[in-house]
Amino acid sequence: SQTIHQWPATLVQPVGSPLSLECTVEGTSNPNLYWYRQAAGRGLQLLFYSVGIGQISSEVPQNLSASRPQDRQFILSSKKLLLSDSGFYLCAWSSGQGRDEQFFGPGTRLTVL
Amino acid sequence: AQSVTQPDIHITVSEGASLELRCNYSYGATPYLFWYVQSPGQGLQLLLKYFSGDTLVQGIKGFEAEFKRSQSSFNLRKPSVHWSDAAEYFCAVGVSGGSNYKLTFGKGTLLTVNP
Repeated sequence: SQTIHQWPATLVQPVGSPLSLECTVEGTSNPNLYWYRQAAGRGLQLLFYSVGIGQISSEVPQNLSASRPQDRQFILSSKKLLLSDSGFYLCAWSSGQGRDEQFFGPGTRLTVL
Repeated sequence: AQSVTQPDIHITVSEGASLELRCNYSYGATPYLFWYVQSPGQGLQLLLKYFSGDTLVQGIKGFEAEFKRSQSSFNLRKPSVHWSDAAEYFCAVGVSGGSNYKLTFGKGTLLTVNP
C-alpha cells in the first residue's frame, strides 16, 4: 500500500531564516506531487505541483520554492521566511492517471516568529 | 476558472441527528467532485468521490453525497451523526489538463457535534 510522509511535524523558525520541508511517498512510482498551505478560514491553497522529476509548476508567486530531486521526494524551501509564511503545510500525491483523487500527508505546522 | 463554495462555515448538530453539508461548484465541463474530512492537526482523508455514472455516491464512515448537475451541487449527507464525526469537511472539484490534474477546494465547513 501507498504511504506519504512529511517532516518535520512541527517547526518554529525566526523571520529571515531558511526553510526546508520534506515529503516522501512510498509504494507508488511516478506520482503527481503537490504542496498546499492551509491558513485558518481560508481553505487549502495550492502552492506547487510536479508531474515528474525536476518538473515544478508554481501556482502562487511568493518567496517559496519547490524541488523534486527524486521520483517520490518533494521539497518545499525558502531562503528567508516571512511572518506570513506561517501555516499548515500539506503534501499530497495522486497517481497521475487523470481524474483521480489526491492522498494527503499528515502535514507540517510552521510558525514563523 | 473553477470554484467551489461551501456556504456554511460552521454547523452544529446533536449526536444522532441527520447531517447535510452543502457544496456548490462552478466549472464549465463535467466535474470530478470530492469530499474530504480533516481532524484537527491532521491531513485530509478522502470520504467519497464522483466521476460519472450514478449521481448518488457512497463513501466511508456512512457518508453519501448526491451530484445534481442542474443545481451545480454536491451535498454531503449522513443519516445519523456520531460524536467522532466532529471535524472540518472540504469539498473539492477536479480539473484535468492533460496529466496536470489539480483540485480546487472550498474553504471548509466545521462540524461540531453536541452530545
